[in-house]
Amino acid sequence: QKEVEQNSGPLSVPEGAIASLNCTYSDRGSQSFFWYRQYSGKSPELIMFIYSNGDKEDGRFTAQLNKASQYVSLLIRDSQPSDSATYLCAVTGWAGGTSYGKLTFGQGTILTVHP
Amino acid sequence: DVKVTQSSRYLVKRTGEKVFLECVQDMDHENMFWYRQDPGLGLRLIYFSYDVKMKEKGDIPEGYSVSREKKERFSLILESASTNQTSMYLCASSLGQGAKNIQYFGAGTRLSVL
Repeated sequence: QKEVEQNSGPLSVPEGAIASLNCTYSDRGSQSFFWYRQYSGKSPELIMFIYSNGDKEDGRFTAQLNKASQYVSLLIRDSQPSDSATYLCAVTGWAGGTSYGKLTFGQGTILTVHP
Repeated sequence: DVKVTQSSRYLVKRTGEKVFLECVQDMDHENMFWYRQDPGLGLRLIYFSYDVKMKEKGDIPEGYSVSREKKERFSLILESASTNQTSMYLCASSLGQGAKNIQYFGAGTRLSVL
């Protein structure tokens, strides 16, 4: 089992719809969870991070975390064509007492928002 | 704003050459990372460093080495480049440990080994 798994995609949604991106992780000790967006040919940029159970909202983006189910998701409301990108889920935990900030990334989900 | 600068956007090298990829960050971050990204394989950690002169192997260190002589600079070295090292290389840095340890990425270096 991969440490961090994302829904395989690609995901295609119409403009204005809600896009739902999902991520599961295997390490119960994971502390923090990050969503990065990566446009084609560009480097990843942080959208949101979450470390407490529940929802965290930032504009059109909502991150949801359920540690009991080892599940984190990203909802994009009112999707725009400019949201078309690869979305990477990343998880940090504590291995051997320290993590040095290491992140484990999922494979990414390609999102296409069509007009 | 955090700035992570990679010295080259594109590089073309010959098989067997020694290749240096340079990364500089300007935010006094403790941690620095080198990843490679390949289609279908995602981001894979090569090496990371949590302090000057300190380094740790990541998931795929074979064929690579690193150097961190100064806090702001982290170099990735391909001792003898091979065609299977053709990839996008990404450098990242983060402040330290803790729950909100965000990694910031450089623009990436696309390396082709011929």
